[in-house]
Amino acid sequence: NAGVMQNPRHLVRRRGQEARLRCSPMKGHSHVYWYRQLPEEGLKFMVYLQKENIIDESGMPKERFSAEFPKEGPSILRIQQVVRGDSAAYFCASSPVEGRPSTNEKLFFGSGTQLSVL
Amino acid sequence: DAKTTQPNSMESNEEEPVHLPCNHSTISGTDYIHWYRQLPSQGPEYVIHGLTSNVNNRMASLAIAEDRKSSTLILHRATLRDAAVYYCILRDVASGTYKYIFGTGTRLKVLA
Repeated sequence: NAGVMQNPRHLVRRRGQEARLRCSPMKGHSHVYWYRQLPEEGLKFMVYLQKENIIDESGMPKERFSAEFPKEGPSILRIQQVVRGDSAAYFCASSPVEGRPSTNEKLFFGSGTQLSVL
Repeated sequence: DAKTTQPNSMESNEEEPVHLPCNHSTISGTDYIHWYRQLPSQGPEYVIHGLTSNVNNRMASLAIAEDRKSSTLILHRATLRDAAVYYCILRDVASGTYKYIFGTGTRLKVLA
């Protein structure tokens, strides 16, 4: 059973370009989380998605950032018109939620995408 | 947001036990306590979680205080590969979405 797959591993963009980060959860997992991590800092929650549904986007910047998790295919974190401050490691995690979430579930993380904005 | 408090950093000698503390005074009766660790340049990985009783697995042990307001992650024999940032986490039940909120964690340095 493959783990959480994120690609690309490294992404370089110039200011003003778009960045698209992909995350394929573990097989059978229907819930996905995205986190951002600046150097020497902890992980900051961005968004929590279920298939075709955003559960919690309270950590997402209001502009330029969006996330989706379609019925088929990976979850996508999209950053439009990137700026230097968007440079960070972006981690995706999935969990095997069945029905209503509980506090007993584990998260499985990908290796992250390192975004560098020139 | 769910709140946990951990020391910023700790040091240990190789092959000695390490006790990593965490305070979670606002924990509710149904909240599990989770521990993850992040090795350099990697995504976090699950270590252990528990509710009330002490828990053991191949990686570590989790000792939970009787009032559940604190817990301690125990690495029985630290190795150089255990050098990482260790996060103690409660899921954010109050928000209704159960999202995982990571704090700044404890950076563990293991000395050879």
